[in-house]
Amino acid sequence: QKEVEQNSGPLSVPEGAIASLNCTYSDRGSQSFFWYRQYSGKSPELIMFIYSNGDKEDGRFTAQLNKASQYVSLLIRDSQPSDSATYLCAVIDYNQGGKLIFGQGTELSVKP
Amino acid sequence: NAGVMQNPRHLVRRRGQEARLRCSPMKGHSHVYWYRQLPEEGLKFMVYLQKENIIDESGMPKERFSAEFPKEGPSILRIQQVVRGDSAAYFCASSPGQGSFSGYGYTFGSGTRLTVV
Repeated sequence: QKEVEQNSGPLSVPEGAIASLNCTYSDRGSQSFFWYRQYSGKSPELIMFIYSNGDKEDGRFTAQLNKASQYVSLLIRDSQPSDSATYLCAVIDYNQGGKLIFGQGTELSVKP
Repeated sequence: NAGVMQNPRHLVRRRGQEARLRCSPMKGHSHVYWYRQLPEEGLKFMVYLQKENIIDESGMPKERFSAEFPKEGPSILRIQQVVRGDSAAYFCASSPGQGSFSGYGYTFGSGTRLTVV
């Protein structure tokens, strides 16, 4: 069974700072990684995916993947109070057709 | 163009009753996944279905829980004889289903919040 680990937080950063969220995974063969954002009481929404080693940037978000160390991270630059949410890391489990396996999520709080 | 539709949004059941949660995938999507989210926890995979087939039920509790995705109509997650520990948010996701699984297009519904009293 694939496992995905995240610090549950909460992670608190001041407005305008860089928020760094980390995720480790157990299966060295994992290929694709996803970051979802979930506001309180809402459903998860995809914000980034990455499958190659290195960095992938999309606006204020940067996903970083290091397959040798089995970790993936999400950086949020110029953090805003509206970024306050839980961030879920997910990997693909290809057993029996494929599905996403999620970590427990990291709660981020951006203070004005 | 409707997304993944789940109903009801909120469901209250007394201990021992049955709960039926429904999920209609996005148009063009043929694969449905159910997840449970307990308070302050992440999403836990329960079951993966295609039309008329259960593909992976490795996350389903052995008793009281069942799921189906009939040829016509929505997918149903059924919980019999509910207990207080079943109180959680239940999310459904759908994906296109063409080719090998890639994770792209995996879209969640708004969830059903089940409260057992």
